[in-house]
Amino acid sequence: KQEVTQIPAALSVPEGENLVLNCSFTDSAIYNLQWFRQDPGKGLTSLLLIQSSQREQTSGRLNASLDKSSGRSTLYIAASQPGDSATYLCAVPKAAGNKLTFGGGTRVLVKP
Amino acid sequence: GAGVSQSPSNKVTEKGKDVELRCDPISGHTALYWYRQSLGQGLEFLIYFQGNSAPDKSGLPSDRFSAERTGGSVSTLTIQRTQQEDSAVYLCASSSGRGNRNEQFFGPGTRLTVL
Repeated sequence: KQEVTQIPAALSVPEGENLVLNCSFTDSAIYNLQWFRQDPGKGLTSLLLIQSSQREQTSGRLNASLDKSSGRSTLYIAASQPGDSATYLCAVPKAAGNKLTFGGGTRVLVKP
Repeated sequence: GAGVSQSPSNKVTEKGKDVELRCDPISGHTALYWYRQSLGQGLEFLIYFQGNSAPDKSGLPSDRFSAERTGGSVSTLTIQRTQQEDSAVYLCASSSGRGNRNEQFFGPGTRLTVL
């Protein structure tokens, strides 16, 4: 059974500092990996999707890496802003179109 | 274009009542998923529809939960004889079901409170 872990559960940084969020999964047989953002009381916003064959994916200040063999992904957010404060979740499906297994999330606070 | 929409946004009900939650996926998306997010359990999968295939119901927690998808579009999640432990945010997602990305896009959720 796939298990996804995100450590730390919470993170507080001053504005301008780079954020590093970790995601680990126990079964390397994944189809892709998605990173989401969730604001309080809201749904999930998809940030980045990395295919299992990719090592890295970038969008603006966000960069996600994937090391499938070691069961790890890292989301980097450069030059953090107070607006980046949210909970970040990673999730993996076993195969195309499969259900997502989610990590518990990392709650981020960027202090002005 | 329009994203995934869900209604109602909030639902308060009494224990023992039935509730129906609605999800409108992104137009043209063939895959539709229901998830539940509760304080103690995180985000957990409930049920998945893909085209005309039989749904994957492996995540439904009990036989009080059921879902249907009419005409390959709108889906309704029904919870019968609600219990307090059913209180959670119910999230719906859809994906195109094609290509090699299968990115899932989520709606805003329905917050269910069972008194």
